[in-house]
Amino acid sequence: AQSVAQPEDQVNVAEGNPLTVKCTYSVSGNPYLFWYVQYPNRGLQFLLKYITGDNLVKGSYGFEAEFNKSQTSFHLKKPSALVSDSALYFCAVRGRGNTPLVFGKGTRLSVIA
Amino acid sequence: DGGITQSPKYLFRKEGQNVTLSCEQNLNHDAMYWYRQDPGQGLRLIYYSQIVNDFQKGDIAEGYSVSREKKESFPLTVTSAQKNPTAFYLCASSNGAGTTYEQYFGPGTRLTVT
Repeated sequence: AQSVAQPEDQVNVAEGNPLTVKCTYSVSGNPYLFWYVQYPNRGLQFLLKYITGDNLVKGSYGFEAEFNKSQTSFHLKKPSALVSDSALYFCAVRGRGNTPLVFGKGTRLSVIA
Repeated sequence: DGGITQSPKYLFRKEGQNVTLSCEQNLNHDAMYWYRQDPGQGLRLIYYSQIVNDFQKGDIAEGYSVSREKKESFPLTVTSAQKNPTAFYLCASSNGAGTTYEQYFGPGTRLTVT
């Protein structure tokens, strides 16, 4: 079975500082990894995905994520955080076959001015 | 949220009543999904459909039912058998259920049952 772990319920960072939101995964075969963001009372918005190729994936709003196969991780990063980045972030994985995404429990990011 | 509509945004029902949540997409996507979101529990899959007239149970299907009579529509019925129906419900779709496709989400329906 495939699964995703987001070890931090909450991440606090000062505006202008780099941010990292952590994600580890467990899947049979090659992983297909995704990051989403959710603002209050809204649906999820797709940020980026890793399918194959370069381990550093660039996405929307200046976010990027680094795939590390040996550590089974896919951490979300941004060089300089904005207050408007404050939201709930979800990591998701899909393994072999045509199956729905499996989501982590989410990490709440708070960027403080 | 573009391309997927969920209505209504807020829904209130009395305990013991069935209620149907609407999900429509104009993205011409083959696959559609229903997730439930509760605080601290992330998203949990209720049902999904990869093609018209076919659907599969997800992890928490008990107390829910769906239909997929049209490609663009995937309504979810929350029955009186669902023990804790109060939650935020999210519908999603994807261009096929292939491994590389991301899912696009609607704005959600917040259901409150008292």
